[in-house]
Amino acid sequence: AAGVIQSPRHLIKEKRETATLKCYPIPRHDTVYWYQQGPGQDPQFLISFYEKMQSDKGSIPDRFSAQQFSDYHSELNMSSLELGDSALYFCASSLVAGASGNTIYFGEGSWLTVV
Amino acid sequence: AQSVTQLGSHVSVSEGALVLLRCNYSSSVPPYLFWYVQYPNQGLQLLLKYTTGATLVKGINGFEAEFKKSETSFHLTKPSAHMSDAAEYFCAVSRNYGGSQGNLIFGKGTKLSVKP
Repeated sequence: AAGVIQSPRHLIKEKRETATLKCYPIPRHDTVYWYQQGPGQDPQFLISFYEKMQSDKGSIPDRFSAQQFSDYHSELNMSSLELGDSALYFCASSLVAGASGNTIYFGEGSWLTVV
Repeated sequence: AQSVTQLGSHVSVSEGALVLLRCNYSSSVPPYLFWYVQYPNQGLQLLLKYTTGATLVKGINGFEAEFKKSETSFHLTKPSAHMSDAAEYFCAVSRNYGGSQGNLIFGKGTKLSVKP
């Protein structure tokens, strides 16, 4: 079965640079979530989109922005990168009205290293 | 506000022994509870979830968890540990009741080691 696809899987950027992460949800899923997991930390919710509109917002820094496009893929844009942004970024997707009871499925994650 | 506490950041069991990973939650609304497993350098895989109905939930790989409202607990168990169970396990509660349940609050995680 198709899963959540994230790209790139690994990314190295320098401080103050910009990075963009992409997420392709499971086909027909209408909701996308972004999480950040720092080294040795639990995942932290950043933001979510339902039907291309922001549906919920968590601890996302002002330097970060995200959107969901007409094909339901999502991009997380991170600017003025700091060393503390080094983390594993997860995307997850779900079908809000689905029979699966809104189970969310996580991608493999994108490793961002800021040097 | 919702929160999750996982007791024990590290649990070690022998192969074939019972696995018990503890999770307590706090929630102002009926909770939706989840257990996820994360293998090294991999994503989060859903083991099982509780939303409503039967309080004993069976998941993948022989794991199960019981929702106990009176104890505000959702402990994860497996009768017999296998070497392949070695991983980090996260308990999570949904911030939202109903609708989209993907805004999750995770516990700090419990790393399970399995000794031969």
